[in-house]
Amino acid sequence: GIQVEQSPPDLILQEGANSTLRCNFSDSVNNLQWFHQNPWGQLINLFYIPSGTKQNGRLSATTVATERYSLLYISSSQTTDSGVYFCAVESNDYKLSFGAGTTVTVRA
Amino acid sequence: DTAVSQTPKYLVTQMGNDKSIKCEQNLGHDTMYWYKQDSKKFLKIMFSYNNKELIINETVPNRFSPKSPDKAHLNLHINSLELGDSAVYFCASSPDRTYEQYFGPGTRLTVT
Repeated sequence: GIQVEQSPPDLILQEGANSTLRCNFSDSVNNLQWFHQNPWGQLINLFYIPSGTKQNGRLSATTVATERYSLLYISSSQTTDSGVYFCAVESNDYKLSFGAGTTVTVRA
Repeated sequence: DTAVSQTPKYLVTQMGNDKSIKCEQNLGHDTMYWYKQDSKKFLKIMFSYNNKELIINETVPNRFSPKSPDKAHLNLHINSLELGDSAVYFCASSPDRTYEQYFGPGTRLTVT
């Protein structure tokens, strides 16, 4: 199956800092999504981005499908950004495969 | 106005029991999923239904059986529960295959 690697595994930020999370995948994909799991366990869909660039408020994402990676940018981080960020990809089998996640802690 | 809902939110039960988790979506989506998140937060797909038809059936013990009475509901029944079944189970839905997925709040299952 498709392999998904996320880096870094852990990230500690001071409030107001910017950061970049990376997702590498091993095969071509039909679907790539970024999720945020908040400290209460809820999984929230951030971006559906199999290619190109999207922005939503302080978050943006870029997927370069030909080079098999995606980046999630967090700007002016806030404590509410804390949690685990997952990248998930789907190739031709309709199965969404998740990375191990990046745990982000934003300190006030 | 919850988009994807699951019941119960918490489930504590003893080994050997049979239990069910229910999922409902009011988004009008055609595809629904069950995922398992283990203690290390690793998420893995278990099953998927598209228009009530089973399209993904990962290698899970046959003690786990999904049922989709209609497009808006997908239930998960687990027989003869084991300690290793303890996890958080998430239901999700999407408009169709290969579209963005929306997750329910999860059901934390603890088997003692």
